Amino acid sequence: EVQLLESGGGLVQPGGSLRLSCAASGFTFSSYAMSWVRQAPGKGLEWVSAIGGSGDRTNYADSVKGRFTISRDNSKNTLYLQVNSLRAEDTAVYYCAKVHDWGFLDVWGKGTTVTVSS
Amino acid sequence: DIQMTQSPSTLSASVRDRVTITCRASQTISTWLAWYQQKPGKAPKLLIYKASSLESGVPSRFSGSGSGTEFTLTISSLQPDDFATYYCQQYNSYSWTFGQGTKVEIK
Repeated sequence: EVQLLESGGGLVQPGGSLRLSCAASGFTFSSYAMSWVRQAPGKGLEWVSAIGGSGDRTNYADSVKGRFTISRDNSKNTLYLQVNSLRAEDTAVYYCAKVHDWGFLDVWGKGTTVTVSS
Repeated sequence: DIQMTQSPSTLSASVRDRVTITCRASQTISTWLAWYQQKPGKAPKLLIYKASSLESGVPSRFSGSGSGTEFTLTISSLQPDDFATYYCQQYNSYSWTFGQGTKVEIK
C-alpha cells in the first residue's frame, strides 16, 4: 500500500525553526517528485515546495522562499522540509504529497501541525 | 504566476441535485488541471486529473471537463458523502496553484 507519514510538527516561537519529515512506503520513492502543501486553520490549500526525484530540481512558493528548504534522502525514502524564521502566518497543517508524472498530487499524507506562537 | 479562481465559494444543495463547480485559470494551462475533495480534519483526496480523467475508485457521478482557462467539476447526483470542500489545482513549470475552494453544504 502506498503511504506517506509526516512528523516533526509542533509549537514553536516566532523566529524559530523545525524540520518536518515525510516517510514514504509502497512505491519507488526516488522515481517521483514530491511536494509540500499547507493549510492554515480555516483556510484553503497552499502549495509550498516541490523537489525532483533525484533532488536536482526544487521550487518554492514566494511566501516561503529563502526561509524554507526542501530536501530528500532516497536511501531512507524520506522527504524533509526545513522551516526557519517562522512567522505566525506559517501556522498550518503541512501535508506531503507524491507528484504524478503529469503533475497532480495522487497520494497525500495525513499531515503534521505547525503552530507558531509566543 | 498562474492564479486559479473557483466559483461559487459556497454552494447549498440537496441530495440527488446536480452540482457544477467552475474553475478559471489566469492563463491557458491546456488540461493540466486536477480536482480534489477534502473533508474536515482529513487530507485532500484526488478525484479528477488531466481535467477529465477519473481517478481509480472515484464514483462515476463525478466528472470533469474543460481546457485552456475554463474548467468544471460536475456531480451528477449529489450523495450524503459528497458534502465537502472541493479544490481545483493547476500544474505549470514546476509550480502548483490551488483554487480557493468550494464548500458544498446541505440545503
